[in-house]
Amino acid sequence: QVQLQESGPGLVKPSETLSLTCAVSGYSISSGYYWGWIRQPPGKGLEWIGSISQSGSTYYSSSLKSRVTISVDTSKNQFSLKLNSVTAADTAVYHCARQTAGATGTTRKYYFDYWGQGTLVTVSS
Amino acid sequence: QSVLTQPPSVSAAPGQKVTISCSGSSSTIGNNYVSWYQQLPGTAPKLLIYENNKRPSGIPDRFSGSKSGTSATLGITGLQTGDEADYYCGTWDSSLSAWVFGGGTKLTVL
Repeated sequence: QVQLQESGPGLVKPSETLSLTCAVSGYSISSGYYWGWIRQPPGKGLEWIGSISQSGSTYYSSSLKSRVTISVDTSKNQFSLKLNSVTAADTAVYHCARQTAGATGTTRKYYFDYWGQGTLVTVSS
Repeated sequence: QSVLTQPPSVSAAPGQKVTISCSGSSSTIGNNYVSWYQQLPGTAPKLLIYENNKRPSGIPDRFSGSKSGTSATLGITGLQTGDEADYYCGTWDSSLSAWVFGGGTKLTVL
């Protein structure tokens, strides 16, 4: 059974960098798939942050692209999120998830099949 | 403002049927597959439907998905109080090269 677990500080100061790690068990990241980060501000909907392949190819949300870095460490079977220059608007539950990457021609068959439970990150001084 | 448009809320009585719509465009739903996610209160989202109409193992056939043109629909029959949750559609946006979610729909089983 594939399991994902987020970890990292629950409190980050404004203007600093938010750093989270997602540990994957039950599946080897190097075997394939994309690996994504999704966040959910309190009381609001889901927002995709970005995704990374096992080889390090990345896609980022255009609204966050200038502040986000997602990296993968296949030796530790984990991937990470860094979001810099955070503000209170970045307060959210951050989820990691496995993303399929199938396609038929230019038609994408993407979806998120396994999710971590999420970790709340509060941005406050 | 989400790229995919869902009704904020829907409601129905136990045992009844409900549908949740997800409207997009040619660069989203029109040319890519849609998935649906159920988020029960206080829990992580769970995959409910993938590739427009396929159910992962363990998802009852009370849940169904369909797609027509630039819109998709989630159907739930035989509503149960345990189905009360937020439901999100999602797909790839070929113009943005980005994943997009709908704004979410809160289902209330009266």
